[in-house]
Amino acid sequence: AQSVTQPDIHITVSEGASLELRCNYSYGATPYLFWYVQSPGQGLQLLLKYFSGDTLVQGIKGFEAEFKRSQSSFNLRKPSVHWSDAAEYFCAVGITGTASKLTFGTGTRLQVTL
Amino acid sequence: NAGVTQTPKFQVLKTGQSMTLQCAQDMNHEYMSWYRQDPGMGLRLIHYSVGAGITDQGEVPNGYNVSRSTTEDFPLRLLSAAPSQTSVYFCASSYSRGPSYNEQFFGPGTRLTVL
Repeated sequence: AQSVTQPDIHITVSEGASLELRCNYSYGATPYLFWYVQSPGQGLQLLLKYFSGDTLVQGIKGFEAEFKRSQSSFNLRKPSVHWSDAAEYFCAVGITGTASKLTFGTGTRLQVTL
Repeated sequence: NAGVTQTPKFQVLKTGQSMTLQCAQDMNHEYMSWYRQDPGMGLRLIHYSVGAGITDQGEVPNGYNVSRSTTEDFPLRLLSAAPSQTSVYFCASSYSRGPSYNEQFFGPGTRLTVL
């Protein structure tokens, strides 16, 4: 079965600093990979996704992620964090051909200091 | 489009009570799913459906029941509520045609407390 690990439960960065959130997955084939963001009391919003092709994917709000097959990783990055980026971030893996079954990581809560 | 809608937003139940969480989508998505979110555990799949009349169990199905009589609706029933079912419940939907559509859209969630 597939699994997702987000090793950082909580990260604090200063506004304007760069950000990298880690995500490692376990899956036998090429996975579908996603990053979602959840603001307090809100639902989940898709930041970006990887299905195939270019391993560096661009998303909304200035986020990007890089798929590294050799490391089974899909880390999320942003060059300059804004205070409004404070939220919880979830990495998820989907099984090829099965749209409705996502496995989520436990999430990383991002705090931004001014 | 309203996207994925869920009702109610909040609910308090007593142990043993039953209730139905409603989920509807207006995007003509074939796939619909229910997840629960608990602190430190991310989201876990409860049940999912690949189309009207077809449902299957996810990772944590015990204590929940689903049916899919229409493409638009996918209600989640709690048969006899227990405190362990206190959680935030999210409904999601997606297309089924090809990998580029393999993206789930989430509803705003229902916060359920079982006393």
